[in-house]
Amino acid sequence: QQQVKQSPQSLIVQKGGISIINCAYENTAFDYFPWYQQFPGKGPALLIAIRPDVSEKKEGRFTISFNKSAKQFSLHIMDSQPGDSATYFCAARGNAGNMLTFGGGTRLMVKP
Amino acid sequence: GAGVSQTPSNKVTEKGKYVELRCDPISGHTALYWYRQSLGQGPEFLIYFQGTGAADDSGLPNDRFFAVRPEGSVSTLKIQRTERGDSAVYLCASSLGSASETQYFGPGTRLLVL
Repeated sequence: QQQVKQSPQSLIVQKGGISIINCAYENTAFDYFPWYQQFPGKGPALLIAIRPDVSEKKEGRFTISFNKSAKQFSLHIMDSQPGDSATYFCAARGNAGNMLTFGGGTRLMVKP
Repeated sequence: GAGVSQTPSNKVTEKGKYVELRCDPISGHTALYWYRQSLGQGPEFLIYFQGTGAADDSGLPNDRFFAVRPEGSVSTLKIQRTERGDSAVYLCASSLGSASETQYFGPGTRLLVL
């Protein structure tokens, strides 16, 4: 069964700190790894994504680190802000189908 | 431009009733996806359309669930004989095409089965 495991389930960070969320997967056929941000009552919104042929991708304060051999990837949010408080989901797409397999989510709270 | 829209935003129904949930994808997007998100969990794939045809319906939990996209644009997810366990947020997403990686999600329909 395709699974993506995400940790931690919840995270509290002080304003200005670094938030780190980790994901691990089993299926080596996954070829695209997006991170989504979801605010209460809203649908998930794409934050940043990476393909397995690169080890890191940075967009502004958001960085994905990807370790293909360990089948792990992580999201780093630098200089975390209260407005970043949301639920974050990692996901993976298999090359045999277009559906996304999501992790269980991380509820991030950034304290002012 | 307009994003993915879903109607209704909330739906309350009684056990055993039939419901229809509608999704309006981004104009020009040929791929459309339905996911279900239970409280405190990540979205789970239900079905994927490329154009008018269901390319993958492996995520539909049972034969009470059915989805259509007759003209390759708007899609309707239909749930027969609803059960309390069907209560969840039903999310729709669309992408430019089957090869396009980015899926854009709508706000979801919150279904509550009493």
